[in-house]
Amino acid sequence: EDQVTQSPEALRLQEGESSSLNCSYTVSGLRGLFWYRQDPGKGPEFLFTLYSAGEEKEKERLKATLTKKESFLHITAPKPEDSATYLCAVQARGDDKIIFGKGTRLHILP
Amino acid sequence: EAQVTQNPRYLITVTGKKLTVTCSQNMNHEYMSWYRQDPGLGLRQIYYSMNVEVTDKGDVPEGYKVSRKEKRNFPLILESPSPNQTSLYFCASSLGQNQPQHFGDGTRLSIL
Repeated sequence: EDQVTQSPEALRLQEGESSSLNCSYTVSGLRGLFWYRQDPGKGPEFLFTLYSAGEEKEKERLKATLTKKESFLHITAPKPEDSATYLCAVQARGDDKIIFGKGTRLHILP
Repeated sequence: EAQVTQNPRYLITVTGKKLTVTCSQNMNHEYMSWYRQDPGLGLRQIYYSMNVEVTDKGDVPEGYKVSRKEKRNFPLILESPSPNQTSLYFCASSLGQNQPQHFGDGTRLSIL
């Protein structure tokens, strides 16, 4: 069964303290992996798409990487405005469904 | 402005009273989808549509219906709502099946 697991469930960091969020997946073949950010009371907002192992994408303080089993979202020198829930989603080959992980709640303390 | 619009944003209703949540997108997207989000369970896909007149079940379709008669609209229908359908619902759309999704702001449904 296709599965997406995110860890940790929650993470508290001091402003400027870099860290990584993990998304491990089990699918028969990866068509695409997506990272989203969700603020309270809002819909998820797209961050990155990764399609093949070895691929990396960057945007401001965020960098997403992909291996054959997992993806990492690296946050460098975070600021309080980076506080949000970060969601990972995958789409498998031969399937049009999209599976989300349960998310990581990130809190950056000033 | 590119957007996905859901209505209503909030609804409190009673068991068994049919309701429809509308979803409309103005980006000419082919792929549309409905999700529910529950604490501890994350976002789960209810139904999706690859194009007009093409719909398919996601992971939690029981108790829901959808239709896609026009490209821009993808309503979610609860024929006989029950309390276990109390949740936060999101509609999303994308250019294609392997493309980033744009999400609406959500509809909070309470079924008493």
